[in-house]
Amino acid sequence: EMQLVQSGAEVRKTGDSLKISCEAAGYNFNNYWFGWVRQVPGKGLEWMGIIYPGDSDTRYSPSFAGQVTISVDKSVKTVYLQWSSLKASDAAVYYCARHRNLAAVDDAFELWGQGTVVTVSS
Amino acid sequence: QSALTQPASVSGSPGQSITISCTGTTSDVGNYNLVSWYQQHPGKAPKLIIFRGNDRPSGVSNRFSGSKSGNTASLTISGLQGEDDADYYCSSYAGSGISVFGTGTKVTVL
Repeated sequence: EMQLVQSGAEVRKTGDSLKISCEAAGYNFNNYWFGWVRQVPGKGLEWMGIIYPGDSDTRYSPSFAGQVTISVDKSVKTVYLQWSSLKASDAAVYYCARHRNLAAVDDAFELWGQGTVVTVSS
Repeated sequence: QSALTQPASVSGSPGQSITISCTGTTSDVGNYNLVSWYQQHPGKAPKLIIFRGNDRPSGVSNRFSGSKSGNTASLTISGLQGEDDADYYCSSYAGSGISVFGTGTKVTVL
């Protein structure tokens, strides 16, 4: 059964770049959609975007398009979320998650990682 | 896409039933039968409890059920139990591979 293991907590300064990761142990990595969800402390969940490792097709929420980049490395079964220049407002817990069904772009997130805390200071 | 609208809080006594609403638009909830619901306990990752409107993943209690009318989806928790004390989020597909979450509801078991 697949598991999602995210990289550890990060502390950065505003303007820094950052790339966090989500490794998917298990099979059929290429054929599921994987996504990222932001949760600012004390606030709700925000859907950021999804990626399909099979062909790197990526979809972004309009709220996050141009602000982050979602990518994948199939050779190590890992999806990434990266920033080129962090803002204070990027401080949050970031979850990676996987859709329920193979190749279904319109699906729910059934499998979740443990979350990565990103702290941004000025 | 704007966040779907949920009540900030709902409460109930053990054994009672409660319903959480999730209001969207004709571009998301009203256009697709693809609403899902997630339960989140403090400090934990969300857990999928309802998908495709009213389907439950294996292992999820049948005390959770979903429905939809027009642009509003609902989650009903029957036979409320202490372990149901958590935050609940709806989510809807909104087309072009994009989904949107609700604002979240804090459920308190009195």
